Amino acid sequence: AQSVSQHNHHVILSEAASLELGCNYSYGGTVNLFWYVQYPGQHLQLLLKYFSGDPLVKGIKGFEAEFIKSKFSFNLRKPSVQWSDTAEYFCAVNAENAGNNRKLIWGLGTSLAVNP
Amino acid sequence: NAGVTQTPKFQVLKTGQSMTLQCAQDMNHEYMSWYRQDPGMGLRLIHYSVGAGITDQGEVPNGYNVSRSTTEDFPLRLLSAAPSQTSVYFCASSLADTQYFGPGTRLTVL
Repeated sequence: AQSVSQHNHHVILSEAASLELGCNYSYGGTVNLFWYVQYPGQHLQLLLKYFSGDPLVKGIKGFEAEFIKSKFSFNLRKPSVQWSDTAEYFCAVNAENAGNNRKLIWGLGTSLAVNP
Repeated sequence: NAGVTQTPKFQVLKTGQSMTLQCAQDMNHEYMSWYRQDPGMGLRLIHYSVGAGITDQGEVPNGYNVSRSTTEDFPLRLLSAAPSQTSVYFCASSLADTQYFGPGTRLTVL
């Protein structure tokens, strides 16, 4: 069965530190990849997505992610975090040709706390 | 453009009570889904619909029913609430592969 693994469950950083959140998936075929963010008390919103093309994807608020097909990974990065980046981050994958191609497989999430 | 709306925002039920969580979207999206979010368990898919009149089960469908009589609305019914259904419930709709989420309903079952 397809699965998504987020390695870090809780991350604590100081402002201006660099961030990398890991995401690995298990599926050998073509995938679409997503990172969603949930700020405290708010609903999930799309941070960035990869469907095809340049494997380095830029999203909102200075976030980027790199798709490395050989490693089945889609890690999220930000060079310098801010207090306002405190949130929960979810990686999600859907596999093309897996029936309903809008059905996402979700990671368990990573809680990021940025200290001012 | 309201996007995805959910009502109520908060609800407290007693064990055995039934209720319906409402979800509506005004983006003419065919695909809609219901998730529950629990600490340490991420998002789990309850039910989804690929269009009016079509629904299917997700990972954790037991104790929940859905219907999709219109493109806009996708209500989630709890038949007989149990404490294990205490959770935050999110409705989402999608265009292509990007999902748009509602603000959530925080449900407590006593």
